[in-house]
Amino acid sequence: DTGVSQDPRHKITKRGQNVTFRCDPISEHNRLYWYRQTLGQGPEFLTYFQNEAQLEKSRLLSDRFSAERPKGSFSTLEIQRTEQGDSAMYLCASSPPGREYNEQFFGPGTRLTVL
Amino acid sequence: TQLLEQSPQFLSIQEGENLTVYCNSSSVFSSLQWYRQEPGEGPVLLVTVVTGGEVKKLKRLTFQFGDARKDSSLHITAAQPGDTGLYLCAGARGGNKLVFGAGTILRVKS
Repeated sequence: DTGVSQDPRHKITKRGQNVTFRCDPISEHNRLYWYRQTLGQGPEFLTYFQNEAQLEKSRLLSDRFSAERPKGSFSTLEIQRTEQGDSAMYLCASSPPGREYNEQFFGPGTRLTVL
Repeated sequence: TQLLEQSPQFLSIQEGENLTVYCNSSSVFSSLQWYRQEPGEGPVLLVTVVTGGEVKKLKRLTFQFGDARKDSSLHITAAQPGDTGLYLCAGARGGNKLVFGAGTILRVKS
């Protein structure tokens, strides 16, 4: 059984470029989350999917950010017109159905550096 | 302002010492999770506590959830260099997202 995987692990881009990250959750996990983590801070929630439906979005998710989970399996997070302030670790997590409490399992993250 | 305050922010100790890190809030959580994160990696789930007053043990790690479900502690006995990392607490308030503290950086020197 594999854990949550993310691709790429590292991305360096120039300001103004678009980037897309992919997350593959643990099999059978119907809930998927995106978080952002900056240096010295804990992860901050960005958005949440249950199956293919995007059910919650943080106000941190500006209009330059979009996330999809078209078939209820993998998810993508796109950032358009990147800014230096977007530099961070982008983390994906998944959790299984039917749990009474929200236990989330994280991937290794994608480290984004915007020059 | 962090919803979850973790203390201390940094802790540097010698191998074999004991330590406790704290996670405090004025809010009630339906569950609270502790994670350990190494540089360049994602957080790894250590434990989930759900019931007020609950104590869980994981080898040398002891986790406690406060009676009012507003705070938690992590105690490590006889720390080892392999315990080095960032310890994060995260609370769920019945919704789908987790709210994280800023973490405690632990360094165990041999």
